[in-house]
Parts: sequence; structure tokens; C-alpha cells
Amino acid sequence: DTAVSQTPKYLVTQMGNDKSIKCEQNLGHDTMYWYKQDSKKFLKIMFSYNNKELIINETVPNRFSPKSPDKAHLNLHINSLELGDSAVYFCASSPPGRGVLGDTEAFFGQGTRLTVV
Amino acid sequence: AQSVTQLGSHVSVSEGALVLLRCNYSSSVPPYLFWYVQYPNQGLQLLLKYTSAATLVKGINGFEAEFKKSETSFHLTKPSAHMSDAAEYFCAVNSLGGATNKLIFGTGTLLAVQP
Repeated sequence: DTAVSQTPKYLVTQMGNDKSIKCEQNLGHDTMYWYKQDSKKFLKIMFSYNNKELIINETVPNRFSPKSPDKAHLNLHINSLELGDSAVYFCASSPPGRGVLGDTEAFFGQGTRLTVV
Repeated sequence: AQSVTQLGSHVSVSEGALVLLRCNYSSSVPPYLFWYVQYPNQGLQLLLKYTSAATLVKGINGFEAEFKKSETSFHLTKPSAHMSDAAEYFCAVNSLGGATNKLIFGTGTLLAVQP
């Protein structure tokens, strides 16, 4: 019974194409995220949504457009893919913390390995 | 702004030996700190977290970490390494930005366990 699930797990595509990655969580969390892990394993947040509202956009190129149809889903659409977009993309979710204090952890999906050729 | 630094991108230990993975944080407010583990081709799994309740935090798989404010450290330890502990380990701090929060990760430490 997967908590945070992403599809597809692997994605190989040509430069210039448009692709989407889907994410669903069944944990009842209000907040969802997209993280990017580069080839050196460095993890960086891209977006955060809370109850379908965009909260964080970490200066990601506007070729990346997240969409949250409801609070259980956060999809990532990427236009005009570039070689540098090759990475592992992780979806995550987290429950509310105490007030605005970030004492809750994020639950991660298995990742989508995107390869742009 | 909060940040974490992991010293040592690669650590190698023998099976049964002590595991020590180092993490230092920088934060102007009391931090919330986390250790995650990533097995090959897997997502990240929470090992343990510090949220100011107790300075010594016990996690899963026999790992623990001690929060030391005087040293701004949150090192991860395990008394006896097992082959199955071989993985990438990430320290993270929760960066508070107004009403939002996000995890800021260190650069990771790859733990190798030799038989």
C-alpha cells in the first residue's frame, strides 16, 4: 500500500519534448513537494504546494509547471526538455507541523529517473 | 538561512564496526534536523528526527543521533555496522520561510560496509 507513488519510474526522452510525471499520496497530507536530485546526488526543492496552492517556487525555469488538481496529487509537467533536466525527480508529502514550525518530516516517493537524450 | 554540512562524502567501515556520519548545521533559530537514508534506486526513508524534545534521538535500524547545540552538530551513529547499512545518508534541516517549511539537504555521505 504505497504512501507516495510516482509514475513513471523511468523516463527517456529526446530534447525538445514535453513530458509529465505524476504523483499521488494516500497519507492525507496537506503539503506536497517536488525535489530534484542531480547526478551528484544533491537534493534541492523545486516546488511546494499546500492544499493545492503553490507555496514555494525555487527559481525553477518556467518550463517546469506543477499542477495540483487536488491535495492528494501533484503532477510535474516539463516543456522543451533540455539535456540538463536529466535527473531523478522525487515527489514528497508532509503532514502539518505544530503551527508554522517545521517539525514534521517529508515522505518521499521512489523517484522518477528522467534521461534526456 | 538554515543549512547543513556533511563532512565526508564517502565513509567506509568494516562489518561490526562503529558507524559515524557527521553533520553540522547552521541556523539562527532552533533547528529541526533529520537524517534520511537512500538505498540504490530507491526514494528517501526517514531514519530519525530531532524536534527539540530530547537531544539523543533513536531511529530505525539501530541508528541514533545526538543534537549538540554547543557544537552545532547532529552526527549519526550506529554501534555495529551491518552489510545492509550500505547506502547514501542525508542530513537535512527544515528551513522555515514564513508559513512554509522545506527541507534543506546536505550533500550526502555514501556509506560502504566491508565484509
